[in-house]
Amino acid sequence: GESVGLHLPTLSVQEGDNSIINCAYSNSASDYFIWYKQESGKGPQFIIDIRSNMDKRQGQRVTVLLNKTVKHLSLQIAATQPGDSAVYFCAENMYSSASKIIFGSGTRLSIRP
Amino acid sequence: DTGVSQNPRHKITKRGQNVTFRCDPISEHNRLYWYRQTLGQGPEFLTYFQNEAQLEKSRLLSDRFSAERPKGSFSTLEIQRTEQGDSAMYLCASSSSGIDTQYFGPGTRLTVL
Repeated sequence: GESVGLHLPTLSVQEGDNSIINCAYSNSASDYFIWYKQESGKGPQFIIDIRSNMDKRQGQRVTVLLNKTVKHLSLQIAATQPGDSAVYFCAENMYSSASKIIFGSGTRLSIRP
Repeated sequence: DTGVSQNPRHKITKRGQNVTFRCDPISEHNRLYWYRQTLGQGPEFLTYFQNEAQLEKSRLLSDRFSAERPKGSFSTLEIQRTEQGDSAMYLCASSSSGIDTQYFGPGTRLTVL
């Protein structure tokens, strides 16, 4: 079936350290994956995406890794800052589903000063 | 700001009343999506438009829910005879045809008393 799940519901990180948020997906037909950041009271904000023909993609301070063998996705945030505090969602999108995004339940990232 | 906008941002209503929300997508985007998000969960897909055509509806979209996009620009989501279980954040997103990245608006938080 279709499902996107996260290993940890909460993550606490020291300011300045790197953060790693993990995600597992179960549908091998998924071909597009997205990470969103959602701050309290706001809509999800696009961070970075990756297609199934890639295994790594880098953005500004963020890196997404995709391991199709074990159906695992991760988001790495370098030099975590207080403004990174939010809930992070991984999501999957299948071309065959007319662009419907399926979200996981989210990981809350908190930053320790 | 040329992002996705939603109105109203908050709506409190009594059970049994009808409510209507509006979404204005990013101007050049021809795809528009509605999602519902409850506390602690990821957004759940409700329906999707390409231009004015409603192409997909989730089984979550009961017959009390109706969405329109009459001119292929803004969209409305109406809920008739609201129930307490309808209390949630209603999110709108838009994307360009052929490009899968969906950009979300700030959402409309509905509280049904």
